Amino acid sequence: KAGVTQTPRYLIKTRGQQVTLSCSPISGHRSVSWYQQTPGQGLQFLFEYFSETQRNKGNFPGRFSGRQFSNSRSEMNVSTLELGDSALYLCASRALQFIAGELFFGEGSRLTVL
Amino acid sequence: QKEVEQDPGPLSVPEGAIVSLNCTYSNSAFQYFMWYRQYSRKGPELLMYTYSSGNKEDGRFTAQVDKSSKYISLFIRDSQPSDSATYLCAMRAEETSGSRLTFGEGTQLTVNP
Repeated sequence: KAGVTQTPRYLIKTRGQQVTLSCSPISGHRSVSWYQQTPGQGLQFLFEYFSETQRNKGNFPGRFSGRQFSNSRSEMNVSTLELGDSALYLCASRALQFIAGELFFGEGSRLTVL
Repeated sequence: QKEVEQDPGPLSVPEGAIVSLNCTYSNSAFQYFMWYRQYSRKGPELLMYTYSSGNKEDGRFTAQVDKSSKYISLFIRDSQPSDSATYLCAMRAEETSGSRLTFGEGTQLTVNP
């Protein structure tokens, strides 16, 4: 069974640009969530999508957005990039939204903003 | 103040040592407690999962939760070089989606052969 796949793995952008990251969850998983990982802050929850609807949102500005498609694949977008957006962006999937269960992470997309 | 505090280390131990990793938290609503392991350039993977208080053992790993003290621990016995990784504690409340976890900063562990 293939794991969570994230693309691209590495990317470099400049301030003011926008970026789109993609995530393919484990087959059959309908919940996709996104986290930002930075030194000093650790993993911080961005948002969760389930059945193409955003179900939860973390404390991030509106520049961070996402969506989920009917096949459960998800994208997140960051507009007007700032230096502080440099981070590892992790996508995770779960089988169901509210039942206790394991969160499976991808390897992440490492974004560097210059 | 962060909801979950975890000493980032780094922690360096000799092979065979017993390792103790800890987190404290402030939100008394947390009921699910997890430990994730993250190798360099990889995503986190679930190591241990505990509901409410008590101990849970899995091979060389033991997770402890003390809700009265708002303190959780992960013990690694007979540590191996392959245990070298960053260990992240994570937790959530009962009513929170299983996808929305609050993580500690992570402790970087190196086990030296």
